Amino acid sequence: AQKVTQAQTEISVVEKEDVTLDCVYETRDTTYYLFWYKQPPSGELVFLIRRNSFDEQNEISGRYSWNFQKSTSSFNFTITASQVVDSAVYFCALTPGSNYQLIWGAGTKLIIKP
Amino acid sequence: ETGVTQTPRHLVMGMTNKKSLKCEQHLGHNAMYWYKQSAKKPLELMFVYNFKEQTENNSVPSRFSPECPNSSHLFLHLHTLQPEDSALYLCASSQLWTGRSEQYFGPGTRLTVT
Repeated sequence: AQKVTQAQTEISVVEKEDVTLDCVYETRDTTYYLFWYKQPPSGELVFLIRRNSFDEQNEISGRYSWNFQKSTSSFNFTITASQVVDSAVYFCALTPGSNYQLIWGAGTKLIIKP
Repeated sequence: ETGVTQTPRHLVMGMTNKKSLKCEQHLGHNAMYWYKQSAKKPLELMFVYNFKEQTENNSVPSRFSPECPNSSHLFLHLHTLQPEDSALYLCASSQLWTGRSEQYFGPGTRLTVT
């Protein structure tokens, strides 16, 4: 089976706290691509990051960081010092190498309280 | 205009109406997509076009009819819709249609079928 699981339906934290959004994927392909997207209340999905299966280096972009671990089939996303503007639904997605379709997780709604 | 634009942003239609959604991308991409996003459901891919040729049709009912006259424009023609078709319809584009490229989304059309 090929799928993406975002077990956290909703997370609520107070501003300035760090928060980690979990993403677990399943695929038998050795080549695949992982993505994170953000969907703010305005509705437009915004691309955040793409990772291919051969690049396990962690990525940091400002307050955002991603931890890719093939051993646990996880691609987790951490926001450091969260801000109210980070409130959104975050989606993790997978493209297996054998299939051109993007497989989406159900999304995690992140609420940052002031 | 930049990025991906969609019109209208909101649409209310009766079940016997015919309407069209429009999407335009200004990114020079080769692939365009229609997605449906319903409350509490994963993002559903409806159609994929690569160089204006349809490459995917995910068992979408015939009351949804896509049209892609060129790589920059995508339409979704709607007729005889059902109330369960009420959703956010998102258009996206990417450089490649293989799922390996990140997708850029428009703001969506919020459709209500009465």
